[in-house]
Amino acid sequence: AQSVAQPEDQVNVAEGNPLTVKCTYSVSGNPYLFWYVQYPNRGLQFLLKYITGDNLVKGSYGFEAEFNKSQTSFHLKKPSALVSDSALYFCAVRDAPGANNLFFGTGTRLTVIP
Amino acid sequence: EPEVTQTPSHQVTQMGQEVILRCVPISNHLYFYWYRQILGQKVEFLVSFYNNEISEKSEIFDDQFSVERPDGSNFTLKIRSTKLEDSAMYFCASTRGDRRESSQYFGPGTRLTVL
Repeated sequence: AQSVAQPEDQVNVAEGNPLTVKCTYSVSGNPYLFWYVQYPNRGLQFLLKYITGDNLVKGSYGFEAEFNKSQTSFHLKKPSALVSDSALYFCAVRDAPGANNLFFGTGTRLTVIP
Repeated sequence: EPEVTQTPSHQVTQMGQEVILRCVPISNHLYFYWYRQILGQKVEFLVSFYNNEISEKSEIFDDQFSVERPDGSNFTLKIRSTKLEDSAMYFCASTRGDRRESSQYFGPGTRLTVL
């Protein structure tokens, strides 16, 4: 069975500082990993995904994520945080062959402090 | 940029009533999904739909739930007899293909409140 853990409910970071939002996963096969962001009163917006290839994946709004197979992690990063990055971030995984549904983590609320 | 849209944004209903949540997926997408998020909890998969059939469903998606694509654009989720525990945010999503690497595009959600 697949699962995703986001160990931090809340992450606070000062504007201009680097940010990291953590995600670890558990799957039986090869994982397909996704990050989504949810702004207030909005749906989930796709940020980036890892399918195969380079372990460092670049996505929207300057975000990137690093796939680490040995640590079963897929942490979301950004070199310099903006106040507008404040939102709820969800990590998700899909692994079962033929299965299209996503398994989500519980979400991490990122607050960027001006 | 095309978006998934959902109506209504907020639905309040009495326990035992039927509700229909509506979604308009992105026009050239072929695979459709419903997820729900109970307040403060994770987003959970309910059902996926392709070619006018359910392709997968979770254990949450019991006989009280049904989905339909009544015309070429709408994708609906019906809850036959709502329970208090059905109160949640319901998200619709769509993808163009069924490949595992396909990104799902989500709508803004419908907040269902069952009293």
